[in-house]
Amino acid sequence: ETGVTQSPTHLIKTRGQQVTLRCSSQSGHNTVSWYQQALGQGPQFIFQYYREEENGRGNFPPRFSGLQFPNYSSELNVNALELDDSALYLCASSLRGRETQYFGPGTRLLVL
Amino acid sequence: SQELEQSPQSLIVQEGKNLTINCTSSKTLYGLYWYKQKYGEGLIFLMMLQKGGEEKSHEKITAKLDEKKQQSSLHITASQPSHAGIYLCGADHGSGNTGKLIFGQGTTLQVKP
Repeated sequence: ETGVTQSPTHLIKTRGQQVTLRCSSQSGHNTVSWYQQALGQGPQFIFQYYREEENGRGNFPPRFSGLQFPNYSSELNVNALELDDSALYLCASSLRGRETQYFGPGTRLLVL
Repeated sequence: SQELEQSPQSLIVQEGKNLTINCTSSKTLYGLYWYKQKYGEGLIFLMMLQKGGEEKSHEKITAKLDEKKQQSSLHITASQPSHAGIYLCGADHGSGNTGKLIFGQGTTLQVKP
């Protein structure tokens, strides 16, 4: 059983650029959730994907968007990057109807 | 919206000592999760509690959800340096297992050898 993987591990971008982060869910899991964790804070829910559709969204603007693919892997896209977007981005996978989410190691994004 | 408050924010204990971290919710908790995080890394699942009064243990870590389901505690017995890290409590947004979690701000634990 493979765990949740994310790529890249680290990324540096400048303000106004666009970024794509990737997540491969744990084997057998069909739901992926994305979180943003600023330094010294708990993770904040961005959105969740199930069956390739967005299934709930937190308090994040539309420039945060995502995709889920038939193999349940997922992408998080952020357009028009702002300095405050600098954070650790975590994805978590789960099996719909089961409680526990398993997290990947995260992607550290720095916006200059 | 529901908020989770963790206390203390940080904790330094001597190896071998016991400690407790608390997580208090402004609303009824339908699912309460405890995770551990090493600095800058992903979250490691520890335990999940659903029923009021429920208590679960794994190795030297015990978590409990109070009867009113608005507070949870995480207790570590005979702490070791390997217990050091950031402990996060998370609660499900909805009344079921939606998987959309809100988290407390975390409690940073240091264990001095």
